Amino acid sequence: DAGITQSPRHKVTETGTPVTLRCHQTENHRYMYWYRQDPGHGLRLIHYSYGVKDTDKGEVSDGYSVSRSKTEDFLLTLESATSSQTSVYFCAMMDSLAQNYYGYTFGSGTRLTVV
Amino acid sequence: QKEVEQNSGPLSVPEGAIASLNCTYSDRGSQSFFWYRQYSGKSPELIMSIYSNGDKEDGRFTAQLNKASQYVSLLIRDSQPSDSATYLCAVITAGDMRFGAGTRLTVKP
Repeated sequence: DAGITQSPRHKVTETGTPVTLRCHQTENHRYMYWYRQDPGHGLRLIHYSYGVKDTDKGEVSDGYSVSRSKTEDFLLTLESATSSQTSVYFCAMMDSLAQNYYGYTFGSGTRLTVV
Repeated sequence: QKEVEQNSGPLSVPEGAIASLNCTYSDRGSQSFFWYRQYSGKSPELIMSIYSNGDKEDGRFTAQLNKASQYVSLLIRDSQPSDSATYLCAVITAGDMRFGAGTRLTVKP
């Protein structure tokens, strides 16, 4: 988890409430990602960012939005939480596309439960 | 068809044996291949990467890539109980990294 932290580590929220998860990195890496991990599905990309204010959707983006106003912070917002969004959320970073050869560095994860 | 497929396991091997983990991918244009290890309740950590056909060795780990068969594997020699974890295969295609669902490995003392 060196250089990348997620907060909170655990959260329980009620259906219909907005929730924001934070990812903070100290490596000045350009690329950041939000994944969710569910049993049987592995890691699925929600949104990613390739620079400040530059973001794009991943394969499971419905119900989620992101913002990146600073290089070091990438926020994931569940606009109106549903039980299907109960999951473990991981943030990841990568220095540049050349680093496609070196993989991602992941944060420690946020376990979100929507009741 | 899933883009990256792995046997979910669990795969159980005795301590000291070779563990063999397999992964297939659907896109022939895939460029880079990774193996991540994930302990229960922890985040994935990169253990091997491979880009060219053949074998790549790093300590007790060997990654094998066969692009013609669209197949990548991970061998763990002299398996230890500390190797018990879920192993995720990841593939980069056109700049996107896609993950398999993972194979759970248990190494029994």
